Amino acid sequence: EAQVTQNPRYLITVTGKKLTVTCSQNMNHEYMSWYRQDPGLGLRQIYYSMNVEVTDKGDVPEGYKVSRKEKRNFPLILESPSPNQTSLYFCASSRPGARVDEQYFGPGTRLTVT
Amino acid sequence: LAKTTQPISMDSYEGQEVNITCSHNNIATNDYITWYQQFPSQGPRFIIQGYKTKVTNEVASLFIPADRKSSTLSLPRVSLSDTAVYYCLVGERGQGFSFIFGKGTRLLVKP
Repeated sequence: EAQVTQNPRYLITVTGKKLTVTCSQNMNHEYMSWYRQDPGLGLRQIYYSMNVEVTDKGDVPEGYKVSRKEKRNFPLILESPSPNQTSLYFCASSRPGARVDEQYFGPGTRLTVT
Repeated sequence: LAKTTQPISMDSYEGQEVNITCSHNNIATNDYITWYQQFPSQGPRFIIQGYKTKVTNEVASLFIPADRKSSTLSLPRVSLSDTAVYYCLVGERGQGFSFIFGKGTRLLVKP
């Protein structure tokens, strides 16, 4: 089944404790993105990657890191999480040149930083 | 990227046709219009994409007038399960990963 998976789905952590949220897709997509969703603010893009070893900042990259060493994986790294990074996070992937610009989203990771 | 404006919320009843209009006055020549649907605590799901006139698939229709400054997503005979947030996005084809999601339109379908 074609899908984007994220782990963990739920995470409660403390300020300053480094964490990584993994994202993996099995559709051989070149493009991958990370979003955060907060009440009243909609979906905001954090980082995106056009291909292996190619990443770029989205609208709200501060406090986050990403890496793209393999095509299928795009982990999101919070080196020193803070409470304002408490949010619902989505990973997405898509294929350039497709008939339509369809992004496939993962199930989401709900992160709470205390 | 063109800015989009949608109603914050809409109510409807089961069996009715729902039309959600999105305004994008600054749409560029190469921009396409894309709509996504999102249920609570789930990732958005692609519904439809178009450039001009009318596009129809098994889920919805998208109407785009000649000036392309707006677009209308049409959901035929909605059911309770169509209650969701609907996002209108505008951007250049092939750059969909960089499209901006706004706050969307919250559709509530009542019995």
